[in-house]
Amino acid sequence: GQNIDQPTEMTATEGAIVQINCTYQTSGFNGLFWYQQHAGEAPTFLSYNVLDGLEEKGRFSSFLSRSKGYSYLLLKELQMKDSASYLCAVRLYNNNDMRFGAGTRLTVKP
Amino acid sequence: DAGVIQSPRHEVTEMGQEVTLRCKPISGHDYLFWYRQTMMRGLELLIYFNNNVPIDDSGMPEDRFSAKMPNASFSTLKIQPSEPRDSAVYFCASSLMQQREGADTQYFGPGTRLTVL
Repeated sequence: GQNIDQPTEMTATEGAIVQINCTYQTSGFNGLFWYQQHAGEAPTFLSYNVLDGLEEKGRFSSFLSRSKGYSYLLLKELQMKDSASYLCAVRLYNNNDMRFGAGTRLTVKP
Repeated sequence: DAGVIQSPRHEVTEMGQEVTLRCKPISGHDYLFWYRQTMMRGLELLIYFNNNVPIDDSGMPEDRFSAKMPNASFSTLKIQPSEPRDSAVYFCASSLMQQREGADTQYFGPGTRLTVL
C-alpha cells in the first residue's frame, strides 16, 4: 500500500511561520506536490519537488528529501486567508498517478 | 480558459437510485482523473484516463461504480445503485503531461457534493 502521513491539525498566529511535515512510503516516486484546499472548495496547486532541496515561491517554500521520504511546506508571514487544509501528494510513476495524504488543517489566529 | 467544469454541483438522491456525475476537462489536457473526498478517508483516486482510455481503475470501490470518457471533452462517473456510504464530494481533475517536470500539475474542478439518503 501507499502511506502518506501528515499531522491532522495545526494552529499558528498571524504573521508567524509554520512548517507542515509530510512523510511517505510509496511503491514509486516521481515527484511530490503540495495543494491548498479551502473549506468547501477544490484543491489548488501550490508547489512541486522532484529533486532534493528547497523550492521557494513567495511566502511558500517546499523541501524534499527523497532518501528520508520526507517533505515539508513552509509558510511565512502567515495571513488569515492561509487558514485551509494542505494536502501532500506523491506522484508514483511517470504516468500522473497521484496519491494524496489526508491533509493538514491549518488555523491561523489573530 | 473556464477550467474544469463539473455538474451537478450538488446532488441529493435516495438509496438505490442511479447517479451520474459529469466532467468537462480543460481543453487540450491529456489526462482526466476522478477523485472522491470524505472526512474519514481524505482524497482518494478512483480512476484516471489518458487520451480517453482508462489507465487505472483500481481505486473504483466496487462494481456499482463505472466511468466513461467517450471523447476528449467529456467524462461521466456513474453509481448504480447508490448507497448512503457513497455520500462524498467527487472531484474531477485534468492535466497536460509534458516532458518538462512539474508541467503536469492537476487542475481540479469545483466538485459535486453527493448525498445519498
